[in-house]
Amino acid sequence: DTEVTQTPKHLVMGMTNKKSLKCEQHMGHRAMYWYKQKAKKPPELMFVYSYEKLSINESVPSRFSPECPNSSLLNLHLHALQPEDSALYLCASSQTKGESSGNTIYFGEGSWLTVV
Amino acid sequence: QKEVEQNSGPLSVPEGAIASLNCTYSDRGSQSFFWYRQYSGKSPELIMFIYSNGDKEDGRFTAQLNKASQYVSLLIRDSQPSDSATYLCAGVTGGFKTIFGAGTRLFVKA
Repeated sequence: DTEVTQTPKHLVMGMTNKKSLKCEQHMGHRAMYWYKQKAKKPPELMFVYSYEKLSINESVPSRFSPECPNSSLLNLHLHALQPEDSALYLCASSQTKGESSGNTIYFGEGSWLTVV
Repeated sequence: QKEVEQNSGPLSVPEGAIASLNCTYSDRGSQSFFWYRQYSGKSPELIMFIYSNGDKEDGRFTAQLNKASQYVSLLIRDSQPSDSATYLCAGVTGGFKTIFGAGTRLFVKA
């Protein structure tokens, strides 16, 4: 079983709703990630947090707002989404980048998001 | 040019055969490479990582890295129907940026 926990597993929201996806890891990792995955496509990097600071934002629309309250938690706040934002949202974590193997990212089970 | 490229397949092999999955990358600065397996409707699951030239074996899986040719491969020996999945190759560029290839769908026929 993965040690990265995501909630909720499924979310249906309207285009005017505000919701959040939550992620928690207890592996002592200091980097956390949000990926988006559409059907039959690879995971697409959205955000990277390193030591609780946002280090990479892959030009994601502002209707997606990440938050890292502490080293174990990562949230993704959703507001005014579009139907094309429907996808599997994957949270992941990794150790520091000091060693090559430390770049290994471990995924949670994902949150299936449907925007109606 | 995509940073990590894979043949999307599908690759079909009979049960018990060796499945060979290939991946090329464009960033010579990439140091670490990973193979993930993803079953339909599930999240990616790490199979192996490799960052030194040569082969790395783990059970039925062998990863191969050739930095001069910018080539990574995964061999699955004694393929089983349960190995049928999409296999994602990933490389790390610029520190924390892990980029995935499009994935290769593997079918193992019983």
